[in-house]
Amino acid sequence: LAKTTQPISMDSYEGQEVNITCSHNNIATNDYITWYQQFPSQGPRFIIQGYKTKVTNEVASLFIPADRKSSTLSLPRVSLSDTAVYYCLANSGAGSYQLTFGKGTKLSVIP
Amino acid sequence: NAGVTQTPKFQVLKTGQSMTLQCAQDMNHNSMYWYRQDPGMGLRLIYYSASEGTTDKGEVPNGYNVSRLNKREFSLRLESAAPSQTSVYFCASSEVLARSEKLFFGSGTQLSVL
Repeated sequence: LAKTTQPISMDSYEGQEVNITCSHNNIATNDYITWYQQFPSQGPRFIIQGYKTKVTNEVASLFIPADRKSSTLSLPRVSLSDTAVYYCLANSGAGSYQLTFGKGTKLSVIP
Repeated sequence: NAGVTQTPKFQVLKTGQSMTLQCAQDMNHNSMYWYRQDPGMGLRLIYYSASEGTTDKGEVPNGYNVSRLNKREFSLRLESAAPSQTSVYFCASSEVLARSEKLFFGSGTQLSVL
């Protein structure tokens, strides 16, 4: 399984765009990059997933360069409700049952 | 659509007591997981079940047992609780697509062992 590395914490003001970068130097050919969001006292929630280039949904964008050794989660115009821990995982499909979450990145949005 | 349901939400045990955490999913997923999360830490995998009738150890299985009762239900049992098992426990199921996997989590069980 690919090991991922993320910043432990980030601070941002409301209304700003936030970019959280994840490093996954030993990512495998079949691995997808998946990001989860966790609010206090709740289970993680799927945000976005991608394999290469750019993926966008109603919540975030995910940028993956051609070498796929890193990825960037972009949250546009954050609000206080985006304060959460964000986890980056690199995993393949069926059979990647040992999904391991690191400590993630604690994002604090400041008014 | 309930998703993944865990019971109970809170539990306090004395050292040596036993209990079972229940988990059920209504999304017809094959794979189910039990994680624990300690304060300020990420999630660590305790046990998982790739399909009905199979279970395997994760990263931290000691002190726990699991049962995959049917496709919907996956329970976690603490036979003799210890203070080190004080944690928040999350159950999850996964949707496996052609080349990727997506986890769905329950709301967690906060367990304190005194």
